[in-house]
Amino acid sequence: QVQLVQSGSELKKPGASVKVSCKASGYTFTSYAMNWVRQAPGQGLEWMGWINTNTGNPTYAQGFTGRFVFSLDTSVSTAYLQISSLKAEDTAVYYCARTYYDSSGYYFIDYWGQGTLVTVSS
Amino acid sequence: DIVMTQTPLSSPVTLGQPASISCRSSQSLVHSDGNTYLSWLQQRPGQPPRLLIYKISNRFSGVPDRFSGSGAGTDFTLKISRVEAEDVGVYYCMQATQFPSWTFGQGTKVEIK
Repeated sequence: QVQLVQSGSELKKPGASVKVSCKASGYTFTSYAMNWVRQAPGQGLEWMGWINTNTGNPTYAQGFTGRFVFSLDTSVSTAYLQISSLKAEDTAVYYCARTYYDSSGYYFIDYWGQGTLVTVSS
Repeated sequence: DIVMTQTPLSSPVTLGQPASISCRSSQSLVHSDGNTYLSWLQQRPGQPPRLLIYKISNRFSGVPDRFSGSGAGTDFTLKISRVEAEDVGVYYCMQATQFPSWTFGQGTKVEIK
């Protein structure tokens, strides 16, 4: 069965960096893109972008360029989200989520990781 | 960006009664390939989101048949035929038509009266 298991909660000071991991299992990792979604405390969902797990090419949504970096280690079926120069407003739960493509080429986000809480506080 | 507007934002429902959530997009979700990339997600308290419906009306694996989706163009609806206690949570519509600007509705909280 498809599983996305994320790394544990992080507490960081402003200005620091954090790297969140998302380990995939139960399918061929390089066949489906991986998305990152942010959810600030008590707020809704915000799509940050995705990374093509076949080519390693990332695409960032507006507002998530510069300090946010998506990367991969295909040898261990893991995607990473790195955030640098952390600010208090980066405090949120970050989810990885797979994009599935059906036989006709239709795509949608199907499976989600359990989420990683990143808290930025001095 | 395409703005997704859900109504209502809160829906108190009696157990066993139906519930309906509307999602309206600021522009048509029909992609140039002819498909409409509209999904519905459920987020139970303290849990990650879970896919319920994709491609407007297709139930995802394991989703009970009391959940159904419909709509076209800019207007979409999620219906729960008979609300059960486990359906409590926040429901989101999501569009994946405009890349790279996928967007979610603001969420509708379903609670038991």
